[in-house]
Amino acid sequence: GEDVEQSLFLSVREGDSSVINCTYTDSSSTYLYWYKQEPGAGLQLLTYIFSNMDMKQDQRLTVLLNKKDKHLSLRIADTQTGDSAIYFCAESINTDKLIFGTGTRLQVFP
Amino acid sequence: KAGVTQTPRYLIKTRGQQVTLSCSPISGHRSVSWYQQTPGQGLQFLFEYFSETQRNKGNFPGRFSGRQFSNSRSEMNVSTLELGDSALYLCASTQGPGNTIYFGEGSWLTVV
Repeated sequence: GEDVEQSLFLSVREGDSSVINCTYTDSSSTYLYWYKQEPGAGLQLLTYIFSNMDMKQDQRLTVLLNKKDKHLSLRIADTQTGDSAIYFCAESINTDKLIFGTGTRLQVFP
Repeated sequence: KAGVTQTPRYLIKTRGQQVTLSCSPISGHRSVSWYQQTPGQGLQFLFEYFSETQRNKGNFPGRFSGRQFSNSRSEMNVSTLELGDSALYLCASTQGPGNTIYFGEGSWLTVV
């Protein structure tokens, strides 16, 4: 079946690293995505990883994929107040249909 | 390169009315998908179009429909609006299966 789960909240101090976790159930996922949503806005694509990769780094963002445990994480280094938003992970399975997690609200405090 | 463009951004409708939302994908993208976002249900897939053909449909009633034109622009229509249809409707585009998926800013629909 298709199900993606995330913790609802994460609070970090400015300058620290944030780690947002996601678990999915469908082992045939081909792509896994991270999107950011700020209040009143649409979804901004942050990064994505192919299912045959273990890790992807893009500036302050590091994505780790553990296919055995069906676990995906997004690490944001040197978290800033501008990173405060809701972060969604999503999986796609050979199509353009995305299955989204519930979203994790990241709050960054000074 | 322009992003995914959705119009209108905000609208208010009355129960029983119908609404049409428009989406212009990124130039060169042939696949368009629609999603509904509500506080209670989160982000849910509505439908997906590729080269004017609906390839996937989510679990929504028949009041929700869509189409795609030859220039890849897409519209979705909701008939006989209900209060529960109040949501952010998001459109996404991609070049096709296996390519990255980009979203527009969404259309905020309020049904009163």
